[in-house]
Amino acid sequence: GQQVMQIPQYQHVQEGEDFTTYCNSSTTLSNIQWYKQRPGGHPVFLIQLVKSGEVKKQKRLTFQFGEAKKNSSLHITATQTTDVGTYFCAGGAGLTGGGNKLTFGTGTQLKVEL
Amino acid sequence: DGGITQSPKYLFRKEGQNVTLSCEQNLNHDAMYWYRQDPGQGLRLIYYSQIVNDFQKGDIAEGYSVSREKKESFPLTVTSAQKNPTAFYLCASEDRTSTEAFFGQGTRLTVV
Repeated sequence: GQQVMQIPQYQHVQEGEDFTTYCNSSTTLSNIQWYKQRPGGHPVFLIQLVKSGEVKKQKRLTFQFGEAKKNSSLHITATQTTDVGTYFCAGGAGLTGGGNKLTFGTGTQLKVEL
Repeated sequence: DGGITQSPKYLFRKEGQNVTLSCEQNLNHDAMYWYRQDPGQGLRLIYYSQIVNDFQKGDIAEGYSVSREKKESFPLTVTSAQKNPTAFYLCASEDRTSTEAFFGQGTRLTVV
């Protein structure tokens, strides 16, 4: 079955440093989504990428989808303490009849120190 | 307020007992999903449903059962056959455009 690997598992940074998490799928993806989960919370949707080579930005966050649609990355510029949490990628396989079967990566836990 | 609601937030169960976790959404979404999350791990798909009265097994369906009698509701039963049921359970819903999954607050199940 489809597998989605995500690295690193943990990342500690000083506030103001950059952060990147990488996601690799064993199969070609229909789309990829990114979620953020705060400690004790539930995943919250950040973005979906659909096109090969797509790059999207949300303020300090930059998301990329690889040309082969098998890998993706999330880069945060100048981290802040509000960025603390676990970031998950989720590879999507569209379902006939609607819906999107997501295979989640293992997540990257980000800690930001002052 | 539109959203997806899971209850209870915390649940304790004795070994050998079945327990049902509730998931209700008022977003008019067709698709609903159940995931399990273990510490330090990603989410794993248990069951999903694209339409009322229909559901499909996910990657780890053994020991679980679901029903989808109403569009708004997708309860999950953790049966005594599930060998390691202690986990954080998350329900999600999505519309047909499949651009974003909305998650409930989760139910933390502990077997004692």
